[in-house]
Amino acid sequence: DQQVKQNSPSLSVQEGRISILNCDYTNSMFDYFLWYKKYPAEGPTFLISISSIKDKNEDGRFTVFLNKSAKHLSLHIVPSQPGDSAVYFCAARQIQGAQKLVFGQGTRLTINP
Amino acid sequence: DAGITQSPRHKVTETGTPVTLRCHQTENHRYMYWYRQDPGHGLRLIHYSYGVKDTDKGEVSDGYSVSRSKTEDFLLTLESATSSQTSVYFCAITQPNNEQFFGPGTRLTVL
Repeated sequence: DQQVKQNSPSLSVQEGRISILNCDYTNSMFDYFLWYKKYPAEGPTFLISISSIKDKNEDGRFTVFLNKSAKHLSLHIVPSQPGDSAVYFCAARQIQGAQKLVFGQGTRLTINP
Repeated sequence: DAGITQSPRHKVTETGTPVTLRCHQTENHRYMYWYRQDPGHGLRLIHYSYGVKDTDKGEVSDGYSVSRSKTEDFLLTLESATSSQTSVYFCAITQPNNEQFFGPGTRLTVL
């Protein structure tokens, strides 16, 4: 049972436009959500996070939105740059437990010049 | 950021052989994790540790064992490697700001 889902395996966006990556979850016990970015042959790197008590968090070009009633979060990147081309994973953490994360399948973002 | 090294970075082995992957951290973080990354599955938790000699299973633990005899080292062992264990393996720690920080990964191929 996939508790965190990223239904779009890939996304192609023109440079300078907005990139929107989506993530859905099923477990209402998740209290913290994170986005990671991964380049080939490297480990995932943390990008941005949001607590379940908030509905928006912004960091520079990156904004994460959380809709708890819909169990949906999204990552907005604006403006998109060529260096943003990577695989993006959303992850969720359960309130109790050893800080374990559950990851989505990932979305490959390609920024076209 | 935490310093995490993984060794080896690449390994090719044959079915049925034992394999041990090592994760080393430099900052005494309590929690350490082993994940595998496969196309279409994202990252899946294999095992994790919440202290020296304290470990527990993740969602894909069958065929794997772990040990943590020192705070800084977390070992993942495949007792008898199978082709289904061909994957990229990532070690991670939880930092005080609640972010998980990942190592560079080990690419394992089981022939």
